[in-house]
Amino acid sequence: NAGVTQTPKFQVLKTGQSMTLQCAQDMNHNSMYWYRQDPGMGLRLIYYSASEGTTDKGEVPNGYNVSRLNKREFSLRLESAAPSQTSVYFCASLPPGSYNEQFFGPGTRLTVL
Amino acid sequence: SQQGEEDPQALSIQEGENATMNCSYKTSINNLQWYRQNSGRGLVHLILIRSNEREKHSGRLRVTLDTSKKSSSLLITASRAADTASYFCATVTSGAQKLVFGQGTRLTINP
Repeated sequence: NAGVTQTPKFQVLKTGQSMTLQCAQDMNHNSMYWYRQDPGMGLRLIYYSASEGTTDKGEVPNGYNVSRLNKREFSLRLESAAPSQTSVYFCASLPPGSYNEQFFGPGTRLTVL
Repeated sequence: SQQGEEDPQALSIQEGENATMNCSYKTSINNLQWYRQNSGRGLVHLILIRSNEREKHSGRLRVTLDTSKKSSSLLITASRAADTASYFCATVTSGAQKLVFGQGTRLTINP
């Protein structure tokens, strides 16, 4: 099993450009998450999907959109990137049940100039 | 806003010593989890403690939970250089499937 994979690993954008961060998991998990991590900070939840076909806002959703394409894939889109979106983005998935850990991808380091 | 506040923000100790990190949170929880993050990498789950548990062990890790004080601690015994990383607590509230992270403790183990 590859676990949670993310692409790309690094990306540099200019202000106003758009891009989609891809995430996939092969563990048959229902729930998937997108977080951002700013320097010296913990992770903050952007959006999550409790199951295929559903998405919900997290703590910092402004400037982002998501798509739960199928059970495996959960993408994050920046429609018009801003320097404030420079961050490291992590995707995670969660098995069903009340007492489980989340499994994290390796992250995408995004710089917006 | 983040649920957890971690203390200290940074900790530097000698190899072989014990390291203790603390986490405080604001609302009632279903469980609390600790994660490790090596520099530039993703997070790795260490241990989960349920709200009705007071203490849990896993290898060299010991976690305590005091729900009356809304606080938790992570103890790493006999530290090793490989333990150098950032450590985060994360809380899960009842009914939710979301983790809320603290800001983390950056641990450095000096050889």
